[in-house]
Amino acid sequence: DVKVTQSSRYLVKRTGEKVFLECVQDMDHENMFWYRQDPGLGLRLIYFSYDVKMKEKGDIPEGYSVSREKKERFSLILESASTNQTSMYLCATDGGADTQYFGPGTRLTVL
Amino acid sequence: QKEVEQNSGPLSVPEGAIASLNCTYSDRGSQSFFWYRQYSGKSPELIMFIYSNGDKEDGRFTAQLNKASQYVSLLIRDSQPSDSATYLCAVIGGSQGNLIFGKGTKLSVKP
Repeated sequence: DVKVTQSSRYLVKRTGEKVFLECVQDMDHENMFWYRQDPGLGLRLIYFSYDVKMKEKGDIPEGYSVSREKKERFSLILESASTNQTSMYLCATDGGADTQYFGPGTRLTVL
Repeated sequence: QKEVEQNSGPLSVPEGAIASLNCTYSDRGSQSFFWYRQYSGKSPELIMFIYSNGDKEDGRFTAQLNKASQYVSLLIRDSQPSDSATYLCAVIGGSQGNLIFGKGTKLSVKP
C-alpha cells in the first residue's frame, strides 16, 4: 500500500509566521503534489514536483513556496502566513498513470 | 480555463438503490478520468479510473465514459450507508497535464 504522511493533522499559526508543512511518501514515486481544499472551491493545485530539486507552479502558487531536497519528502512553505491561507492542505503522490494518492491532510488555521 | 463540473447535491438514495453520479468536462482532449471518494474530515481516496469509452466495472462500482458528449459517470449499485461521502471527479487536463478536480457531489445513503 502507498503510504503518504503529513507532519501535522492540525496546526494553528499567527499571521506573519513562517509555516512549514511536510509530506513524506514511502513508495519511491517521482511526482508529488500540494493542494488546498476549501468549501465551495474544491481542490486546487498549489505546486508540484517531478523530481528532486524540481518544482512547478500549479494554479494558485502565490504566497507559497516548496522544497524537495529528497525524493521522498516534499515541503510546502508559507513564507508569511495570512488569514486567507486558512485551509485544508493535502499532499499527494502519483502512483503511475496519473493515479494520485493523498496524505491525511493538514488543517491549518491562521489567526 | 479547463473545467470539471459536478452537481453538488446532496444526492439522497435509499439503501440498496443505485446511485448515479455525473460529471462533465470542458477539455475535449482529456484522456484520463478518475473518481475519488472523500469521507467527511478525511482525504480523497481513489476508487476508479477510466481511459476508454464505455463502461468499467469494479465490484459495486461502474464508471462510464462518453468522450463525444464529454461526460463521465459513476454508478454505485446496492448502495450502502457506508457509501455516504463526497465523490470527486477528476480529469487530466491542466496546463501542464495535471489533474483538475470537480467540486464534488455529496451522496447520502439512507438506511
